[in-house]
Amino acid sequence: GAVVSQHPSWVICKSGTSVKIECRSLDFQATTMFWYRQFPKQSLMLMATSNEGSKATYEQGVEKDKFLINHASLTLSTLTVTSAHPEDSSFYICSAMPGSRGNTGELFFGEGSRLTVL
Amino acid sequence: LAKTTQPISMDSYEGQEVNITCSHNNIATNDYITWYQQFPSQGPRFIIQGYKTKVTNEVASLFIPADRKSSTLSLPRVSLSDTAVYYCLVGPNTNAGKSTFGDGTTLTVKP
Repeated sequence: GAVVSQHPSWVICKSGTSVKIECRSLDFQATTMFWYRQFPKQSLMLMATSNEGSKATYEQGVEKDKFLINHASLTLSTLTVTSAHPEDSSFYICSAMPGSRGNTGELFFGEGSRLTVL
Repeated sequence: LAKTTQPISMDSYEGQEVNITCSHNNIATNDYITWYQQFPSQGPRFIIQGYKTKVTNEVASLFIPADRKSSTLSLPRVSLSDTAVYYCLVGPNTNAGKSTFGDGTTLTVKP
């Protein structure tokens, strides 16, 4: 199956700093990637849709200036949590779907990135 | 997008068959039903997808009645390693990433 990789797997930062999380599709091109946030014991919540070469579209209630998304190439999307605070501590997950294989509907997820803000 | 309802948790024992049902009363004509498995601190992993009737692969079966308002994921002979959260997603394949994750079902397999 297709592989999506995230980096870093975990990160600890001080309050007020910014953190960048990368999502890469290793063996396919993805014009669209998705970013989710998952708090402990809760489900995944879609934050935004990352579009290659254009602006990301954010879900209602997600601050676009807080969570900057860049999708500069067909294999890489980045999520930057700006001026992170403890309430931003969460598990961030990305997903992508290989467009070249047709719209099978199967999403491939990254391993997730655990952010802890002190 | 269709809303889904699943049992919050289920317990089973090794070697048993487990059936997890998902309700999706407002499923649309072009919606597919997809199930994912998630282990702690990992991203979800695709299990199976179907549109109607029955679909089977090497790890699971998916049963969908004619009205498509529900679906049942069947895991044959579960093992301890099947302990995970299982999510049912409903949506069009062309926009799969926008499908809403429900609360999921936490399956605990006991020895």
